[in-house]
Amino acid sequence: DAGVIQSPRHEVTEMGQEVTLRCKPISGHNSLFWYRQTMMRGLELLIYFNNNVPIDDSGMPEDRFSAKMPNASFSTLKIQPSEPRDSAVYFCASSPTPTNTEAFFGQGTRLTVV
Amino acid sequence: DQQVKQNSPSLSVQEGRISILNCDYTNSMFDYFLWYKKYPAEGPTFLISISSIKDKNEDGRFTVFLNKSAKHLSLHIVPSQPGDSAVYFCAAIRYNQGGKLIFGQGTELSVKP
Repeated sequence: DAGVIQSPRHEVTEMGQEVTLRCKPISGHNSLFWYRQTMMRGLELLIYFNNNVPIDDSGMPEDRFSAKMPNASFSTLKIQPSEPRDSAVYFCASSPTPTNTEAFFGQGTRLTVV
Repeated sequence: DQQVKQNSPSLSVQEGRISILNCDYTNSMFDYFLWYKKYPAEGPTFLISISSIKDKNEDGRFTVFLNKSAKHLSLHIVPSQPGDSAVYFCAAIRYNQGGKLIFGQGTELSVKP
């Protein structure tokens, strides 16, 4: 299994532009999570899906952030418009079941907004 | 509201000695605690976990201790090796919240030869 696959690995964009981050979870995993890593807060949970349905988006910082999971093998996190303070590493993770304690992470997307 | 806290951003240890990484939490309803390890430019990987009904779990060189009354857990690495140098994240979970992990800020461990 290739693990959780995220793209792109690096993204540099100008303030005000739309940014889309992509994630392919591990096949057969029913739960998908989007995290953001910052120095101050470590790994923050932004949103998670169970069976493609958003369950908790309370961690999404602003309306500029949105996430979708159109099918079991693909999810996107979109920021529109992007701002410099959105610069961070964004991780996608998947888990076999909602009650599974262990989540498997992708390699992350390093986003820089200039 | 940081429910899981790692108050030491960094730790430096000599090879062969013990590394102790600490974590505090505020929510007594957490059911499970995990430690993740992260190398630069990689995603976090699961290391070891402990149920809230236990006070110790050991896996090779890694042992996690849980003190529920103090709402504190720690990860012991003995003996420490240079390859253990990484950022370690403590995480907690509640089963009725769908399995979402609440992470601390991380502690960067440096093991010097």
